[in-house]
Formats: sequence, structure tokens, C-alpha cells
Amino acid sequence: EVQLVESGGGLVQPGRSLKLTCAAAGSTFEYYGMHWVRQVPGKGLEWVAGIYGNGRRIDYGASVKGRFTISRDNTKKFLYLQMNSLRPEDTALYYCIKDITPGGADQWGQGTLVTVSS
Amino acid sequence: DAVMTQSPLSLSVTLGQPASISCRSSQSLVHATGDTFLNWFQQRPGQSPRRLIYQVSIRDSGVPDRFSGSGSGTAFTLKISRVEADDVALYFCMQGTHWPYTFGQGTMLEIK
Repeated sequence: EVQLVESGGGLVQPGRSLKLTCAAAGSTFEYYGMHWVRQVPGKGLEWVAGIYGNGRRIDYGASVKGRFTISRDNTKKFLYLQMNSLRPEDTALYYCIKDITPGGADQWGQGTLVTVSS
Repeated sequence: DAVMTQSPLSLSVTLGQPASISCRSSQSLVHATGDTFLNWFQQRPGQSPRRLIYQVSIRDSGVPDRFSGSGSGTAFTLKISRVEADDVALYFCMQGTHWPYTFGQGTMLEIK
């Protein structure tokens, strides 16, 4: 069973916005911390943002702070990433990740590709 | 931020032989709870990462016992006791003790 499904990626011009969505399957979504992590093809992984299950803690990676906003809707079981003022260096495959065990990044989606280019 | 340093970055191993990957953190990964949130992942070409090991040494369900994790504090190791063809992949460590989560650079395992 596919647990996490990302959508919303695509080609966007520098300076524009894009909103990613992650749909989670299964129950008790609200119990788990969720994160966005990105990977440039052929390169390493970078944590983008994280949010507690109850939404009481939110934090961002230094490279996106002030431009990206993570949020969640626990009733709909959705995780979001609003990305503003996009830059070419934001080009990457964006993964949605679920912490079932603390600090565990237990489940990963298949990723959605964001390409920022004119 | 906790900087994670993996070595080697590439590994060429004969089938049936062991393999070992090191991961070092710039700061202790012991959480205030006393647990250490150090994970190992396998990423096959074209696939999403799959977690193999969590909290240093606990194997995920379905992970062969050829894979083992060890270490403490700032130094950790992933070992494959006998490499199989199916193990060709990128392996990386990730710490979940501190926000932001941070990742090792990855180690590419190939068959010699």
C-alpha cells in the first residue's frame, strides 16, 4: 500500500510560487511528525522543513527560511509546502517523509520534481 | 547543525564479501531521552530511499540480517556481512536527534 503520495511539482520560472501536497494513507496522521526533504538528482539530500503532528513545532532549513511554508491538515491527512520566490537552486526532487518512530523518517513518498528555470 | 560525514563515498565489493560504511557526526546524537536517532537508508536507482536501520542498530521489518548497525555518540557503522547483487545502491546515514535532520553524503556500493 502506498502510504505517502506527493503532487504539485512542475516547471516554474524563477521568482514564482508553487505548492506541493502530500496525501497520507492510513489512520492517526495527526500523531506523526512530517517533513519535506529534497534531493538534487545524483547529489545528496537536504532537509527542507518539518512540522510536529500537532503543528506546535515548525522549522525550516536555512536555504528556504522566509520563502517556504510548511503546513498540514490533519482532518484531510495532507501535508503542504508553499514555495515562494523560487530560485534555480531549488530545483530538486521533493520527498514527503513521515516520522513513525521519533527522528526516524520511516516512510518516504515517491517524490515530486520541481524545476525552476526560465 | 549536525554535520554528517560518511566514508567511503564509493565501495566496490566482491559478491559474498563484507562491506562497511562509516558515518560520523559533528555533535553527539544522544537525545535528551537517552535514545540515539541515527538511521541508515538504502536507495536503489530510480527509487525512493528505504530505511534499513533505525536508532543505530534496530533493523526494519523485512531487512535481511546481513545488514547491521552499530556505534554510539558520534561514530556509527553500517555493515553488510555478505554482499549480494541486490545490494547495489546508494547508502546514507541520517540523524533525527536534532532539527534540522541532516544526512551523510552517501556511499555508492557496486559489485566488483
